[in-house]
Amino acid sequence: ETGVTQTPRHLVMGMTNKKSLKCEQHLGHNAMYWYKQSAKKPLELMFVYSLEERVENNSVPSRFSPECPNSSHLFLHLHTLQPEDSALYLCASSQDAGTGGYEQYFGPGTRLTVT
Amino acid sequence: GQNIDQPTEMTATEGAIVQINCTYQTSGFNGLFWYQQHAGEAPTFLSYNVLDGLEEKGRFSSFLSRSKGYSYLLLKELQMKDSASYLCAVRDSNYQLIWGAGTKLIIKP
Repeated sequence: ETGVTQTPRHLVMGMTNKKSLKCEQHLGHNAMYWYKQSAKKPLELMFVYSLEERVENNSVPSRFSPECPNSSHLFLHLHTLQPEDSALYLCASSQDAGTGGYEQYFGPGTRLTVT
Repeated sequence: GQNIDQPTEMTATEGAIVQINCTYQTSGFNGLFWYQQHAGEAPTFLSYNVLDGLEEKGRFSSFLSRSKGYSYLLLKELQMKDSASYLCAVRDSNYQLIWGAGTKLIIKP
């Protein structure tokens, strides 16, 4: 148990569906992240939030839409996804997103399958 | 471009020692992390190096040479539970983590 929870753990959705992934951290951290993990590929950083402000968006398609209503919660809204979006989506948090040598704490991930 | 290289897979024997290498080419350097990820689970933090040299934590040690763009993770007295993927990640000049694809370590009895 890392202090970061994600729901749902598994999600199957059609290409025309809209769904949301939820992440919650209980660590009092100020930064939260969304990553995509595909088999045998490096973790891909999607979004970074620091103190509820988005500080990084690594050219992610607009069919992925993040939301950070407060420093403990992070959502990833999904719509009109493609089969290649099937992957493990990991949420992480850290003390800050800046210059401190702080490690990231990861949630268990949501295994997403787009049919 | 930025690149992290580590072997795809390694096999070792229970009780032995294994060294997992990581080489990196990044725009700037602000620290290197090692994470462990068991199949179907979240990555968990193992070690952090920002200065050259060896950091030891129990059975695990991590080494860094900034001039060579090189790090290794050393695992001693291997146990079956050490079977996992080991991820190397470097913080670049923008303090963003650049990740390697991970090394899958298989431990045999």
